[in-house]
Amino acid sequence: QQPVQSPQAVILREGEDAVINCSSSKALYSVHWYRQKHGEAPVFLMILLKGGEQKGHDKISASFNEKKQQSSLYLTASQLSYSGTYFCGTATGTASKLTFGTGTRLQVTL
Amino acid sequence: DVKVTQSSRYLVKRTGEKVFLECVQDMDHENMFWYRQDPGLGLRLIYFSYDVKMKEKGDIPEGYSVSREKKERFSLILESASTNQTSMYLCASSLWDRAQGGAFFGQGTRLTVV
Repeated sequence: QQPVQSPQAVILREGEDAVINCSSSKALYSVHWYRQKHGEAPVFLMILLKGGEQKGHDKISASFNEKKQQSSLYLTASQLSYSGTYFCGTATGTASKLTFGTGTRLQVTL
Repeated sequence: DVKVTQSSRYLVKRTGEKVFLECVQDMDHENMFWYRQDPGLGLRLIYFSYDVKMKEKGDIPEGYSVSREKKERFSLILESASTNQTSMYLCASSLWDRAQGGAFFGQGTRLTVV
């Protein structure tokens, strides 16, 4: 069963912040975040492990709430280059399948 | 530079044909995956392999099979192509442990079945 992402789409002006959420009905081992630009392959951004850690990557960070089986991706002071579709991928074990959500389309405008 | 290479960017096949999609990775990854991507449905897992000759069904395996005879190569087979298999197919590879890093994707094969 695919994790649920919200919102489905968001439009931002450059410099604004956004949050993308990912929730699963299963107990998770790890959560992965990817960005896919139009016509390109998805690119790995970061991974979060159970334990509730928060990670950062430039102005993009993420958290993982193990109790709720939810992860959030935070994009601060958005740039035009942040535009694309963001996917969360979830794994329930060390060698389990990697299941992706339906994606969140993010558009950053001037 | 790490690479996952898919044999074709675009393919057009006829209904009923047997179709082979090939994927090669040069990172010595244990895991390889096949996904299909359709608008509004995200990335859906068809099959994955965690070792040579080992495979597991994903969420939508019906109508597909896979082959992994060598560690670096993972093939997706459409036994009898149908129009509802028209889609973008993405191959990916990763290390064995889901905590050791993300998956690397190929550029995708856009398959049209007519």
